[in-house]
Amino acid sequence: DAKTTQPTSMDCAEGRAANLPCNHSTISGNEYVYWYRQIHSQGPQYIIHGLKNNETNEMASLIITEDRKSSTLILPHATLRDTAVYYCIVRSNSGYSTLTFGKGTMLLVSP
Amino acid sequence: GAVVSQHPSWVICKSGTSVKIECRSLDFQATTMFWYRQFPKQSLMLMATSNEGSKATYEQGVEKDKFLINHASLTLSTLTVTSAHPEDSSFYICSVPGQGKATEAFFGQGTRLTVV
Repeated sequence: DAKTTQPTSMDCAEGRAANLPCNHSTISGNEYVYWYRQIHSQGPQYIIHGLKNNETNEMASLIITEDRKSSTLILPHATLRDTAVYYCIVRSNSGYSTLTFGKGTMLLVSP
Repeated sequence: GAVVSQHPSWVICKSGTSVKIECRSLDFQATTMFWYRQFPKQSLMLMATSNEGSKATYEQGVEKDKFLINHASLTLSTLTVTSAHPEDSSFYICSVPGQGKATEAFFGQGTRLTVV
């Protein structure tokens, strides 16, 4: 699976949009971009995933660049409960492929 | 989405004893489950792949005789940490891969193991 690069930490004010970047310059054609988050002392939670088109669900939006070498996860109105480590993971959708977690981005949402 | 139930949420045990952690897939049958371990301030590391009806597949560096995995049914996988030592203290998390169109993986809430 392709490797990803994320900033170690980010801060965001409550109510503002949180934009979390991820670089995945070695992504291959059949690999998707997945985002998970992990709140302290809990298991990871799925957020969103995409191949090349932008995606939106009730939790977040995923913007993937045209060359697919980077993406941005957008939390439109961050709340204190969004404080977590956010993981950007690239993997293929074939079979039961595992998820390889990097260090992720620690997002701290402050009042 | 699938619900994955992991039990217990936390456990404290004495050195030399064994601890069993259960992972249940509540929404659908899972022929494969994954076990991860997470040390403080570190990311999740895959330990092993649990396969229903056959032997688990362990990642390099993970002792299969120490971390016993049993996947006896399509909804239950167990991880037993045998002869636990303080260095085994960690956060253990199981995962069930998505099926069909739901290709995301689902994770249990994790088990905090403390060996004293």
